[in-house]
Amino acid sequence: DARVTQTPRHKVTEMGQEVTMRCQPILGHNTVFWYRQTMMQGLELLAYFRNRAPLDDSGMPKDRFSAEMPDATLATLKIQPSEPRDSAVYFCASGATVEAFFGQGTRLTVV
Amino acid sequence: QKEVEQNSGPLSVPEGAIASLNCTYSDRGSQSFFWYRQYSGKSPELIMSIYSNGDQEDGRFTAQLNKASQYVSLLIRDSQPSDSATYLCAVENRDDKIIFGKGTRLHILP
Repeated sequence: DARVTQTPRHKVTEMGQEVTMRCQPILGHNTVFWYRQTMMQGLELLAYFRNRAPLDDSGMPKDRFSAEMPDATLATLKIQPSEPRDSAVYFCASGATVEAFFGQGTRLTVV
Repeated sequence: QKEVEQNSGPLSVPEGAIASLNCTYSDRGSQSFFWYRQYSGKSPELIMSIYSNGDQEDGRFTAQLNKASQYVSLLIRDSQPSDSATYLCAVENRDDKIIFGKGTRLHILP
């Protein structure tokens, strides 16, 4: 059963700490998206990659967020330093053509 | 103007009736359009894709696209309580970004 795998599923951290979220895309998918979901803003696109190259990260606060794909099986999203307003569910999605399939998300709480 | 707009609802529909969900988008260069279903506390699940004007049917679901009006809709026939969820419209814009609306909450009344 092919699926996008995200770790951790839940993360509670103190303000100022570094947070790293990981995503394993579906094998063979060459596009990876990072989204953030909040009640107020809905699903916001933070960054996306194609063939491991970053195509757009204009949705990310550049001073604290960074996204990378060190290899085809791993995408990472880092927040340093974290702030309470970063509390949200972060989703990774992958696709082979134009469709995107979502992982289960990482629920981040910054206190 | 938001890129993808949906009525937030909630939309209440009696069981067995047709649920009609609507979405408009701003980028005329958009080529691909999607409907996702999201249950509370779960991740979005792709249920329909449509790429050309007209209707696309899959079981009880029909997606409709009108590029001239920049309008996408989803019809759910014979609505079931299990269809109660938030439905997200998504559009792949000319920059290959998949942009989501905020979703419409659908409630099927037993």
